[in-house]
Amino acid sequence: DVKVTQSSRYLVKRTGEKVFLECVQDMDHENMFWYRQDPGLGLRLIYFSYDVKMKEKGDIPEGYSVSREKKERFSLILESASTNQTSMYLCASSRTVQETQYFGPGTRLLVL
Amino acid sequence: DQQVKQNSPSLSVQEGRISILNCDYTNSMFDYFLWYKKYPAEGPTFLISISSIKDKNEDGRFTVFLNKSAKHLSLHIVPSQPGDSAVYFCAASANNLFFGTGTRLTVIP
Repeated sequence: DVKVTQSSRYLVKRTGEKVFLECVQDMDHENMFWYRQDPGLGLRLIYFSYDVKMKEKGDIPEGYSVSREKKERFSLILESASTNQTSMYLCASSRTVQETQYFGPGTRLLVL
Repeated sequence: DQQVKQNSPSLSVQEGRISILNCDYTNSMFDYFLWYKKYPAEGPTFLISISSIKDKNEDGRFTVFLNKSAKHLSLHIVPSQPGDSAVYFCAASANNLFFGTGTRLTVIP
């Protein structure tokens, strides 16, 4: 059974703070993804990674960076949080890019 | 540009009736389609999928139909149950996975 965990369910940060969101998967999946979900906009891909130390920009990478030092862990970094980054952040993993993605429970981030 | 569209943001259905959720796409290169279900404060969970070589896939109460000529897929839930109340996302895959904006289904007891 695939398990994807995210470090926090809820976070409150101030504008300008550096924010780290961690995601860990236990299925040895090659691919990991970060999305944000906003009402009326669905899931939008921020970044994805197809291998350790590899990353690709998604649809909305501005204001974010990522790190994949180990296969099981994919981190999303907000270098300087802004209020428009208040959102639900979802991590996912999959065996191949095209196949079913398994999602973590999400982190609801509020930037004040 | 949204390549996968769910034009109905919400749908209400009586318990026991059929729920039909629709999804349209623009990219003819998509070859694999999925539906995800999402409860509040949880991540999406995979529900059912269909390959472009098929036009129907059934799993219990859930059936997905694919009409390639119309670039349209639909999810049928029958009979609908209150526990089906959630947001449903369709997704389509070519090199990456593209999600629709979601439809909130409410099943009324």
